[in-house]
Amino acid sequence: EADIYQTPRYLVIGTGKKITLECSQTMGHDKMYWYQQDPGMELHLIHYSYGVNSTEKGDLSSESTVSRIRTEHFPLTLESARPSHTSQYLCASSEYRDPSPLHFGNGTRLTVT
Amino acid sequence: DQQVKQNSPSLSVQEGRISILNCDYTNSMFDYFLWYKKYPAEGPTFLISISSIKDKNEDGRFTVFLNKSAKHLSLHIVPSQPGDSAVYFCAASGTGANNLFFGTGTRLTVIP
Repeated sequence: EADIYQTPRYLVIGTGKKITLECSQTMGHDKMYWYQQDPGMELHLIHYSYGVNSTEKGDLSSESTVSRIRTEHFPLTLESARPSHTSQYLCASSEYRDPSPLHFGNGTRLTVT
Repeated sequence: DQQVKQNSPSLSVQEGRISILNCDYTNSMFDYFLWYKKYPAEGPTFLISISSIKDKNEDGRFTVFLNKSAKHLSLHIVPSQPGDSAVYFCAASGTGANNLFFGTGTRLTVIP
């Protein structure tokens, strides 16, 4: 039973389109994250947030942007999709206490043609 | 440069036997280590963690061992079950860090 929800699960879109990947969690977690994963590779952090109105870039450079207007919602936006953005995007959340495990959604597999 | 390494991309084990998955790390500042399991088309699921003040943590069939001097950790699954077939990721972080560093995963296949 998922407490963190990502939509859509799969998305195929043309180059130049603007897209928003949705992520919501019902656990009341303060910390939320976006990771990117290519097949057979490790997960890379692209964005994180420690609470409302807090957003930071992760270790992997990304052309995407995020917002955190509500605790439970952490959408990721690509203003102009390119084939290089084709990947799996995983949203996660965790409690504020350190250390705390991350809980992941089921991911969005994005294909840009 | 990869800070967490899983050098075995795949492992096959007979049902009922022990599965041992290995992970090495390079950053001596890491003090919190986790294992995740991932089924196809799903996100990673948290399995078990260990902090650097311990060298062993057990949860049912799953035990994680940490060897700080060797910068090595392992996950033991006993007895292995077909439902354990999945990709297992090792992850690590340091105190106050904003990031978990992940390995590339090991695909475990448990043969009935």
